[in-house]
Amino acid sequence: GENVEQHPSTLSVQEGDSAVIKCTYSDSASNYFPWYKQELGKRPQLIIDIRSNVGEKKDQRIAVTLNKTAKHFSLHITETQPEDSAVYFCAASYGGNEKLTFGTGTRLTIIP
Amino acid sequence: GAVVSQHPSRVICKSGTSVKIECRSLDFQATTMFWYRQFPKQSLMLMATSNEGSKATYEQGVEKDKFLINHASLTLSTLTVTSAHPEDSSFYICSARGDRGRNSPLHFGNGTRLTVT
Repeated sequence: GENVEQHPSTLSVQEGDSAVIKCTYSDSASNYFPWYKQELGKRPQLIIDIRSNVGEKKDQRIAVTLNKTAKHFSLHITETQPEDSAVYFCAASYGGNEKLTFGTGTRLTIIP
Repeated sequence: GAVVSQHPSRVICKSGTSVKIECRSLDFQATTMFWYRQFPKQSLMLMATSNEGSKATYEQGVEKDKFLINHASLTLSTLTVTSAHPEDSSFYICSARGDRGRNSPLHFGNGTRLTVT
């Protein structure tokens, strides 16, 4: 089955700086890669996703890049703000949203 | 947008009792729902895939007789934790795929924090 590794487990950045979270996956058949933001005790919220036919996708301050050959994808948050503090999870699946396999999560802290 | 409602948000029960958690898609039909379990500071682990009108598909290591799943309609799936024990204490989250086919994103419920005493 799919295995998703995520790094780092914790990340602290100064407000206004950029944050990068990286994930690798094992199943070359995976073709859908979403990123979720989860605040304490709340539901995961989809913030951006990318499919395997695209190398990069951007939505305002958030961008995701995908390297299919290396089987890794990254989340980039620019101009970080205190409200970006949360736990971020990457995930991977084959066939759209079937059986998402989640990474282990990154606790991002934005230092004012 | 698509909304998934999960109830209850918190439940405390005594060891040996059963607890039912409901997951509803409020403004769309969900033929497939997923149940996840999340321990503190850990990732979401898929427990089972719930399919409307058929038996759920359980992930390896998940006891189907302990975690009963029923998906009787296109808008409701339930997870019943039977004979709960303290080790079952966890955060349970359901999710459902929107009704725009395979390209629909997953929408998560608010989760249920189960504490077994």
